[in-house]
Order: sequence, then C-alpha cells, then structure tokens
Amino acid sequence: GIQVEQSPPDLILQEGANSTLRCNFSDSVNNLQWFHQNPWGQLINLFYIPSGTKQNGRLSATTVATERYSLLYISSSQTTDSGVYFCAVVWKGNEKLTFGTGTRLTIIP
Amino acid sequence: SAVISQKPSRDICQRGTSLTIQCQVDSQVTMMFWYRQQPGQSLTLIATANQGSEATYESGFVIDKFPISRPNLTFSTLTVSNLSPEDSSIYLCSDRPGRPDFTGYTFGSGTRLTVV
Repeated sequence: GIQVEQSPPDLILQEGANSTLRCNFSDSVNNLQWFHQNPWGQLINLFYIPSGTKQNGRLSATTVATERYSLLYISSSQTTDSGVYFCAVVWKGNEKLTFGTGTRLTIIP
Repeated sequence: SAVISQKPSRDICQRGTSLTIQCQVDSQVTMMFWYRQQPGQSLTLIATANQGSEATYESGFVIDKFPISRPNLTFSTLTVSNLSPEDSSIYLCSDRPGRPDFTGYTFGSGTRLTVV
C-alpha cells in the first residue's frame, strides 16, 4: 500500500513563530487533506488540496502531486494551534483515506 | 460539507463488555468508514461500512471483534466487543459523500474509549 510520511514528528515553537510541516507520499493520489487534531481528539479538516496552493487565514498549503509531497504553512503561531497535524491521502484506484504519521506541534506562550 | 454526529463522546467500560458507537450523517453518503486511533498513534482504518451488505474489513480487523451495521445511507454503528485494555483508543467515523462539490472527507467528533 501507499506510504505517507510526515516531518518533523515533533515541533516546539514560541508563540508568533512560523512553521512548515511536510508530507511525503509514495504513489499517485486522488485526494490529499490536512487535518488538525485538537487536544480533545477532534479531527478538523484544514484543507482539501490534491494539487496547487490554498490559503485560509494564517494557514496555507501547497501540494506538488508530480513530486509526491505537500506542505502546510502556519504563520504567526498561536497557542490554539497546538495539537497533532495529519495529512491523509486517497490512493488512486480506491476510496480509502490513508493517514500519515503526524506532526505534534506545541506552541509555547 | 456533511455534518456527522457521533456518540458517545467518551466512555469507560469494564473488560469483557461491549460498546456500540453511533454515527449519523446529515445527508446521504455513498461510503462510511470506521477508524481507530491508539494512544499516541495515527489513525488506522478498521472497515468500510456498506449499505445493505456486510462491511469490508482491513487486514488485522475481524467482524467478530468489530461488528458494523449500516441500515441506511445516513447511519452506521460500530461495536467493539469483548473489551480489553488494549481496545482503549479513540474511534472515529468518516464519510465519503458522492456530491459533485466534494471538498474532502468529514469526520465525526470521535469516541474516546477507556477499558478498565
């Protein structure tokens, strides 16, 4: 099956800092999403981005499908950005989401 | 996007008992999925819930342990049977809508299960 690796696994930043999270995948995909899992376990959909670039406030994402990676940018970090960030992909030929390994982000006041 | 109501949000269960988790979607969806997230881990797909037929299970998951029902296009249940402490996890359901304005898979709010 498809492999989805995220880096870094852990990231600790001061409030106000910027960060870049990376997602590498091993095969062609139909769908790529970025999620934020808050400390209560809720999974929030940030971006549906199989290709191209999208922005939503302080967050933006870019997927380069031909090179099999995606980046999530967080600017001017806030403590509420803390949690685990997952990318998830749908492998071409099926309908199931495969999750990456996750990046745990901790924002210190 | 669809809204998925999942309940219970959390439960503490005795070993040997079972817990049934429900997910209700506010619109008809073509596919529903059930995931498990063990402590500190990523999400792993348990099975695809098929309307009107048996669920399709991923490797390592069996129907006797995780029976699933999907009586219609908006509702599904997952039962975790014969509970042991190793079943302590977050369980989440997801949809795959067939809408032309597809904007990604949506998840329920999760069920945090602790087995004592």
